[in-house]
Amino acid sequence: GESVGLHLPTLSVQEGDNSIINCAYSNSASDYFIWYKQESGKGPQFIIDIRSNMDKRQGQRVTVLLNKTVKHLSLQIAATQPGDSAVYFCAETPGNQFYFGTGTSLTVIP
Amino acid sequence: KAGVTQTPRYLIKTRGQQVTLSCSPISGHRSVSWYQQTPGQGLQFLFEYFSETQRNKGNFPGRFSGRQFSNSRSEMNVSTLELGDSALYLCASSLRPQGTTYNEQFFGPGTRLTVL
Repeated sequence: GESVGLHLPTLSVQEGDNSIINCAYSNSASDYFIWYKQESGKGPQFIIDIRSNMDKRQGQRVTVLLNKTVKHLSLQIAATQPGDSAVYFCAETPGNQFYFGTGTSLTVIP
Repeated sequence: KAGVTQTPRYLIKTRGQQVTLSCSPISGHRSVSWYQQTPGQGLQFLFEYFSETQRNKGNFPGRFSGRQFSNSRSEMNVSTLELGDSALYLCASSLRPQGTTYNEQFFGPGTRLTVL
């Protein structure tokens, strides 16, 4: 089966600092990746996505970096805010279905 | 535009029983996918329905089944419940089938199933 893993299960950052959440994927055929945010008691919420023909994509306060050589994906959150505290998942798809990681819990310290 | 809704939000069943969960996608979305989420396992794909047809299926036993109606609403059924079926069941809807790039999936709040 697919293996999408996260390097760190938990991450704590000071409010205002930048956060970096990492993800390793195993299928070199995956061509589309998404980062999701899940707050307690809610379903996952789309943050940003990227195709395999790109190595960087920016959104509002978020940047996704894709390194296909080492099959690594990262999510950078600028000026982290208390509202960013949540579990973050990466997901990959080689074209048929999505495979999700177990998630990294981000805690923002005021 | 209303989001994805799931009913019921919470459910308690006993082993051996069966359960049906419901998902109403965002209006206009024809793809509905179901996932099981447990601590430490992340999101595990169950199946996807598109235009009333099961398009993909994950590695779950036949006790897990689903269907989609002509209005795109979907139900999933779990028969002969086991303790290990306790989980958060999430559905997600999208305009196009899974795997289509830049085809955002919108998740519902989930149904928390507890099997005693």
